[in-house]
Amino acid sequence: DNVLTQSPDSLAVSLGERATINCKSSQSVLYSSNNKNYLNWYQQKPGQPPKLLIYWASTRESGVPDRFSGSGSGTDFTLTISSLQAEDVAVYYCQQYHSSPLTFGPGTKVDIK
Amino acid sequence: EVQLVESGGNLVQPGGSLRLSCAASGFTLSSYWMHWVRQAPGKGLVWVSRLNNEGTYTDYADSVKGRFTISRDSAKNTLYLQMNSLRAEDTAVYYCARDGPIGARSFDYWGQGTLVTVSS
Repeated sequence: DNVLTQSPDSLAVSLGERATINCKSSQSVLYSSNNKNYLNWYQQKPGQPPKLLIYWASTRESGVPDRFSGSGSGTDFTLTISSLQAEDVAVYYCQQYHSSPLTFGPGTKVDIK
Repeated sequence: EVQLVESGGNLVQPGGSLRLSCAASGFTLSSYWMHWVRQAPGKGLVWVSRLNNEGTYTDYADSVKGRFTISRDSAKNTLYLQMNSLRAEDTAVYYCARDGPIGARSFDYWGQGTLVTVSS
C-alpha cells in the first residue's frame, strides 16, 4: 500500500499568516503517461464531510479561494494557505489516487493562534 | 445541483448485516465512478470501496474484502454498500463520494454520511 504521512500533526497560525502542511507518500504518485500527480487535498470541518480543495497536486477545485495552493511532485507535496482566515480552521487530508488501495494521510489540524 | 444522501446506518450486533444506500440527484450515477469512504469516531478518513461508471468493476480495501459489496441501481440512481459479518472495527460514519470529471481522480462531491455502530 502507498502510505501517506503528514506533518505537522497540528499547527496554530495567527490570522493572516501562512500555514504550510506537508504530505509524503511512500511511493510515487506521478502518472508517467500524462505527467500528472494523483495527489489530492481535502478540508474537513467539524461535523461536515470533507471538501475537495486541490487535485493533481496543484489544481484548485472550482470555487476554492486562491489563498489555497498545492505544490510538489513524485512523493513530496505541500498545501499552503497563504493568509489564514478564521473559516480555515479544519483538518486537512492528503489522498493519493495513483494506486489501489486509495489512501489518505492521517490529517493535519489547523487552528488559530 | 449535485446531491448525495446516505441512509441505512444503524446499531447492529457483531456478525450482523446492514445495507447502506446513497441516493444521488443532479447527475446520473452511471456516468461516474463512485466510492464509499468511512471515518471512525475521532479518526481519519479510510477508503472502503469503488464502482466504475459502467458497473462492471469493483475494488475494495483489504479490511472489507469478502464482507462488503458495492453495487448500484441505475433506475433509482442509488449506490449501495452491503455490509456482512460486521465487526466492532467497522463502526464509523460512512460517506459516499463521487469521482470527479474523467481524469481528475478526486472526490468532488460527498454526502453527509450515515453512522454505523457495531456493538453488542
